[in-house]
Amino acid sequence: NAGVTQTPKFRVLKTGQSMTLLCAQDMNHEYMYWYRQDPGMGLRLIHYSVGEGTTAKGEVPDGYNVSRLKKQNFLLGLESAAPSQTSVYFCASSRWYGYTFGSGTRLTVV
Amino acid sequence: KQEVTQIPAALSVPEGENLVLNCSFTDSAIYNLQWFRQDPGKGLTSLLLIQSSQREQTSGRLNASLDKSSGRSTLYIAASQPGDSATYLCAFFNTNAGKSTFGDGTTLTVKP
Repeated sequence: NAGVTQTPKFRVLKTGQSMTLLCAQDMNHEYMYWYRQDPGMGLRLIHYSVGEGTTAKGEVPDGYNVSRLKKQNFLLGLESAAPSQTSVYFCASSRWYGYTFGSGTRLTVV
Repeated sequence: KQEVTQIPAALSVPEGENLVLNCSFTDSAIYNLQWFRQDPGKGLTSLLLIQSSQREQTSGRLNASLDKSSGRSTLYIAASQPGDSATYLCAFFNTNAGKSTFGDGTTLTVKP
């Protein structure tokens, strides 16, 4: 009963480097989301997907790209990391009965 | 645009007290409501879900209510324990539209 799994759990990047965060869910959920959580800012939606092959911008999409090639996976990419992207990133999936969150990825950009 | 406010931002109580956490919202449209718990450095754990047509849900010592007319939801915790110490967030979501709005949370400390 894995639910939502995020990899990696921790990562340190240098400014300008790129990376991809992977989110996988095994609940056959249609909807998937990427959030970032910063002190004093709460949870902010970066991008989301309402089904395989679809993506949409959330509240703070700049500097990020996403892909949903398979229903169970939702990838978040940073093409050129900036210190302002230091944050904790959460993936979630949902159906009508609510959201299930992953355990988060703590990303530091130096 | 839905706005969600959680008051107080922080709460400290002695063990054994019953307490209420508040969540207010501005848009009474058809949304589902979910309460989460977040421990430091951890992800969000779902506690209770109230569908838009419901008024309350209960799980163990927890009871959540939803009053659309007043724009309020409350999370009631009975007989609080130190293990209840965490940040509690409420969230309104419209799954069909892929939209969600989270409160900033109430950080609860239960002292032994």
